Amino acid sequence: QSALTQPASVSGSPGQSITFSCTGTSSDIGYYNYVSWYQHHPGKAPKVIIYDVSDRPSGVSSRFSGSKSGNTASLTISGLQPEDEADYFCSSLTTTNTWVFGGGTKLTVL
Amino acid sequence: EVQLVQSGAEVKKPGESLKISCKGSGYGFSIYWVGWVRQMPGKGLEWMGIIYPGDSDTTYSPAFQGQVTISADKSISTAYLQWSSLTASDTGIYYCARRSAGSGSPFYFDYWGQGTLVTVSS
Repeated sequence: QSALTQPASVSGSPGQSITFSCTGTSSDIGYYNYVSWYQHHPGKAPKVIIYDVSDRPSGVSSRFSGSKSGNTASLTISGLQPEDEADYFCSSLTTTNTWVFGGGTKLTVL
Repeated sequence: EVQLVQSGAEVKKPGESLKISCKGSGYGFSIYWVGWVRQMPGKGLEWMGIIYPGDSDTTYSPAFQGQVTISADKSISTAYLQWSSLTASDTGIYYCARRSAGSGSPFYFDYWGQGTLVTVSS
C-alpha cells in the first residue's frame, strides 16, 4: 500500500486561509469516506483534527475543515494562527482493512 | 483521562532484539484496538499494524508483516511492539495510537502515545 501524497510544505501569514491536499487511490480515499487528519507538533503526540473526511472531534477549532473529491482529500485552516505551525498528516482506511498515512505537510506560519 | 504512555528511548546495536511498550489508562483497554505507527527521521507516518487486546487479533501492514511482532497483555493494559533482530533502518520514532470506537466512526485514531525513539547504530 503506497503512502498518500501530500505536499512537503506550505506557508501562510496569520489570518490567511490555507488548504492542504492529500491524494490517494480508488482503494483508499476514493473508496471510503474515512479520511482523517492529524496535527503533529514535533516532540508531542499527534492529535486528530478531522475524521470521516469532514467531522471535527469535540474541542477542535472550527477553523479546521475537511473535504474530499474523488481520490483527493483536503484540509483547510482558516484564520491562520501562529500555533497552527506544525506537521499535518492525512490518513485513510484502505480496502484491505489497513490504514495508510501521507508523508505529511509542514506548515510554516510566516 | 485517556492516556497512552510509552516506554522510553532505546539505543540498540544491529542484530539485537527489542520490545517497546504502550500502557493504556483511563478507558477499557481490552475493547479498543491499538495501532502502531512508525516515523523514520525526517519522514512521514507509516502504519505498521493493529491489535485488539481483548483477543489479540492482529493485522499487519504488508510492509511490516514478518518484520515486527505486535502483542498485548490485557491484564496490565499494555500493548507491545517487538523486533527479533534490529537493523539500522528500524531507527525512528514509534507511536501507539488507540483506534476510536463507540457510536461514532471507528476509523481513526483518537488518542496517541508520546512516541518511543528507537536508535539502531553500531
